[in-house]
Amino acid sequence: SQTIHQWPATLVQPVGSPLSLECTVEGTSNPNLYWYRQAAGRGLQLLFYSVGIGQISSEVPQNLSASRPQDRQFILSSKKLLLSDSGFYLCAWRGARRGGDTQYFGPGTRLTVL
Amino acid sequence: AQSVTQLDSHVSVSEGTPVLLRCNYSSSYSPSLFWYVQHPNKGLQLLLKYTSAATLVKGINGFEAEFKKSETSFHLTKPSAHMSDAAEYFCVVTNFGNEKLTFGTGTRLTIIP
Repeated sequence: SQTIHQWPATLVQPVGSPLSLECTVEGTSNPNLYWYRQAAGRGLQLLFYSVGIGQISSEVPQNLSASRPQDRQFILSSKKLLLSDSGFYLCAWRGARRGGDTQYFGPGTRLTVL
Repeated sequence: AQSVTQLDSHVSVSEGTPVLLRCNYSSSYSPSLFWYVQHPNKGLQLLLKYTSAATLVKGINGFEAEFKKSETSFHLTKPSAHMSDAAEYFCVVTNFGNEKLTFGTGTRLTIIP
């Protein structure tokens, strides 16, 4: 069966510091991968998605970036965090084959920027 | 274009009574519709999905939803609420082959003992 991991689970960072959040998927090959942010009291916002190694699509221009160095690894980064980057970050995957439109979510990372 | 509206931001029911969470959608193409549940500080868990097969969809934990094209609705129901059902519920729409899921703003379900 497939599992998705995210770490760290929680993170408190000062404004202006760098960020690296990691997501890995097990039990599947060539998944489509997604990063979402959930701000307090709001729905989910798609930040980035990737359909293959090195292929990143950005949905929202901001000071975050994403990378996919390996097939089942997806990294969310920032060089300098802003207060507005606080939120709950969720990684998701779905199968790339036809008909695989269901996205499965990881446990999330709670980021607090102070 | 696609959108989804969850008609209630907060629903409270007594334990053992029925649950109804309402969702209306808009989609230019045949939609795929989902309900996800999120417990506090947890990821989203898939409850059920509709992908143009049977219009009454059964999910996990006794939940089900009915796709009504004429009403553009996909309401989530459960016959008898349990304390463990207290959580945030999201209705989601997409189209086949579309990378983007469109989320509703969520409905917080509270269960009264």
